[in-house]
Amino acid sequence: QVQLEESGPGLVKPSETLSLTCTVSGGSITNYYWSWVRQPPGERLEWIGYIFYSGNTKYNPSLESRVAILVDTSKKQFSLVLNSVTAADTAVYYCARSNVGRSGYHMDVWGNGTTVTVSS
Amino acid sequence: SYEMTQPPSVSVSPGQTASITCTGDQIGDKYVAWYQQRSGQSPLLVLYQDNKRPSGIPERFSGSNSGNTATLTITGTQPMDEADYYCQAWGSDTTYVFGAGTKVTVL
Repeated sequence: QVQLEESGPGLVKPSETLSLTCTVSGGSITNYYWSWVRQPPGERLEWIGYIFYSGNTKYNPSLESRVAILVDTSKKQFSLVLNSVTAADTAVYYCARSNVGRSGYHMDVWGNGTTVTVSS
Repeated sequence: SYEMTQPPSVSVSPGQTASITCTGDQIGDKYVAWYQQRSGQSPLLVLYQDNKRPSGIPERFSGSNSGNTATLTITGTQPMDEADYYCQAWGSDTTYVFGAGTKVTVL
């Protein structure tokens, strides 16, 4: 079955850029949407954005000015870039396979998550 | 942006029924999904399209959605069901929106 694995630095300095990668294994990256979701300590899940395998993206309006999601289908990877981070961006970051459309609007496969701390 | 409200906590005795609500404006017009998140784990999809169960999810998990309230029901709750549960819908601005989560305690 499809598995997702997040990777990237666990510590980022304030004002710098957070970059994470999600690798898809056990299945295809095509014909699906792929999301990033984060969860600050003790808080709710927050959807960051998604990318379709073709490259089309949609972002959470609250983060849109600082975020970009990219896809590399040849490597079966998609990436998150978040600029100008602050302590408020400290969270567990998850990647997830997303459904948009007739199959519903939900995320059916999740990675284990990776903790990112923003601190100097 | 679309908002949904969940009770912070629900307590249930083993074997009894737990009901978790998710309220939002005309939420019955939207598809709702529910996720279970055990302590220290990633979310697990337990219901989608209001009441459909993914493969491997026990039948004791069921759902309904009408008017301003969507409900996740756990019938015959087991100790392993103790977790945080999040509702999720598709907002009018075509974005995913999560509720604040409900902590289910099995006493």
